Amino acid sequence: KNQVEQSPQSLIILEGKNCTLQCNYTVSPFSNLRWYKQDTGRGPVSLTIMTFSENTKSNGRYTATLDADTKQSSLHITASQLSDSASYICVVSAHNNDMRFGAGTRLTVKP
Amino acid sequence: KAGVTQTPRYLIKTRGQQVTLSCSPISGHRSVSWYQQTPGQGLQFLFEYFSETQRNKGNFPGRFSGRQFSNSRSEMNVSTLELGDSALYLCASSLPSGKNEQFFGPGTRLTVL
Repeated sequence: KNQVEQSPQSLIILEGKNCTLQCNYTVSPFSNLRWYKQDTGRGPVSLTIMTFSENTKSNGRYTATLDADTKQSSLHITASQLSDSASYICVVSAHNNDMRFGAGTRLTVKP
Repeated sequence: KAGVTQTPRYLIKTRGQQVTLSCSPISGHRSVSWYQQTPGQGLQFLFEYFSETQRNKGNFPGRFSGRQFSNSRSEMNVSTLELGDSALYLCASSLPSGKNEQFFGPGTRLTVL
């Protein structure tokens, strides 16, 4: 069964600290993996997209990694800011365009 | 270039009523997908439209339907509303290939009383 599992479910960190969010998937055959940031009450915004051959991609303070062998991805946030408080959603697509969404990690950055 | 727009942003209905939500994709995007997001279930795929045809469909009852117009604008209809239909309904548009990035609208917050 194609699934996407994210951990932790929620996370609280202090402003300026780093954090790493995890995404494990069983989607097959794998096409691509996306990380989205969703502010409360708003639509998700794409942060990164990675295909099978890519194992890291950065977008400012956000760095995503992908290990297609172990079917794991992580999103690392460096020097967190209050505006990073949001839900982060991992989305994995199969070759037939079947998209599977993780439940998200709720990140709270405190001053 | 304007982003994806959804109307209305907020809606309150009562059980048994029906509702129609609207989505205008980014100019040039011909694929429109609809999602339901609830705190307990996360994002769930409803359906995708391309060139006025439903291309993919999620696992939702027939009360949920949609359509796409020749200008790529899309509407989603939910009939005989139930309390459990309360959710944020998101629309996303993309270029025709499924590998392209999806751009989400702000969503319509539906509350069923």
